[in-house]
Amino acid sequence: QVQLVESGGGVVQPGRSLRLSCAGTGFTFSNNDMHWVRQAPGKGLEWVAMISYDGSKKYYAGSVKGRFTISRDNSKNMMFLQMDSLRPEDTAIYSCAKGLMGPLAVTGPLRPPSDFGGQGTLVTVSS
Amino acid sequence: QTVVTQEPSLTVSPGGTVTLTCASSTGAVTSRYYPNWFQQKPGQAPRALIYSTSDKHSWTPARFSGSLLGGKAALTLAGVQPEDEAEYFCLLYYRDVQSWVFGGGTKLTVL
Repeated sequence: QVQLVESGGGVVQPGRSLRLSCAGTGFTFSNNDMHWVRQAPGKGLEWVAMISYDGSKKYYAGSVKGRFTISRDNSKNMMFLQMDSLRPEDTAIYSCAKGLMGPLAVTGPLRPPSDFGGQGTLVTVSS
Repeated sequence: QTVVTQEPSLTVSPGGTVTLTCASSTGAVTSRYYPNWFQQKPGQAPRALIYSTSDKHSWTPARFSGSLLGGKAALTLAGVQPEDEAEYFCLLYYRDVQSWVFGGGTKLTVL
């Protein structure tokens, strides 16, 4: 079955950088769009970014655009999130998710997340 | 800044029916927002329930259904079970900025 494992979280000072990783198994990674979603402690979900199956298209939430960069390495079944200029409000558990399969006419122009990772990885931005 | 609004909390009796809604600060929600619904239980990852307004995933129980209601996206649970107690999040697509936005979530209590 689908397994997604996130790593790379930690405690970082404001203004610094961090790189998260997501390893996908149990499905054909290179055929799927992938997402990052975050959840601040005790708060709701926030969509962060999406990358198309081949890495050619990338989309970001307004709150992270220009600071975060999503990428993937299909040869290693891995996705990444490079987070620069981190702010305290970026503190959250970051989870990766597999995009819904299906024609865009059905799913929408950006295929939504359909399968989420396990526990996510906690990023704490604090001085 | 776009805001997606859900009821903060709802309570339903076992066996009852409840409808959760999802509104957009930009106006009426239509099928072009491709509404999705997710269930999240404490300490667990979210689980997708509904996509494209009303389409169910293969694992979605039949008692869950999605629709558009009065300019909002809606998730209806008919014949609620105790295990449906969870937080429910909607997700809307915004074409102008090519991004998804989650609602704030509805905490559903089965009592």
